[in-house]
Amino acid sequence: SQQGEEDPQALSIQEGENATMNCSYKTSINNLQWYRQNSGRGLVHLILIRSNEREKHSGRLRVTLDTSKKSSSLLITASRAADTASYFCATRESGSEKLVFGKGTKLTVNP
Amino acid sequence: DAGITQSPRHKVTETGTPVTLRCHQTENHRYMYWYRQDPGHGLRLIHYSYGVKDTDKGEVSDGYSVSRSKTEDFLLTLESATSSQTSVYFCAISVGLAVLTDTQYFGPGTRLTVL
Repeated sequence: SQQGEEDPQALSIQEGENATMNCSYKTSINNLQWYRQNSGRGLVHLILIRSNEREKHSGRLRVTLDTSKKSSSLLITASRAADTASYFCATRESGSEKLVFGKGTKLTVNP
Repeated sequence: DAGITQSPRHKVTETGTPVTLRCHQTENHRYMYWYRQDPGHGLRLIHYSYGVKDTDKGEVSDGYSVSRSKTEDFLLTLESATSSQTSVYFCAISVGLAVLTDTQYFGPGTRLTVL
């Protein structure tokens, strides 16, 4: 069954605005990862945050993790049209060799 | 892209026919995965492999089998394709030094249509 659930399912913003996507999960995890998928392409890894970390940055990306609430957020600052894609969170459960992906948030950045 | 290729990239087949999809990697990574992606369901794990001849089932393994006779190749077989197996199939490899920090790299996908 799906572990991570992204919210919202779809998000439309203007270029230059910030985009925030949320992910909730159900069980204890080792890490949580965010991936991006451009239309018709494979997923691309963006950022990984370990269970003992609360915040991580990579360029215009900021990820937070709240293990007490079993939730994470991905913030993309100063968005660009090229950020238009679907974004997926994926969790690695404790003791598992597998990643479990959510259903994704479809982000549209309008020029 | 971690040297991952999938073949074929597109396939149309008929119900009841066998289909084999191939995933090939060039960097000798131990873990390989097969996922399917469907609207409304996101990405779901079919089977994965943790070494030559070592495979295990994922979330949606019914109707699928896999084989890994060489490190670089991971094959997904639909013994008798059904329309419900129409999907986009992605292969992935796991890259990293430890389970806590490994990430996955994905192939370009295979779009399979079963008529």
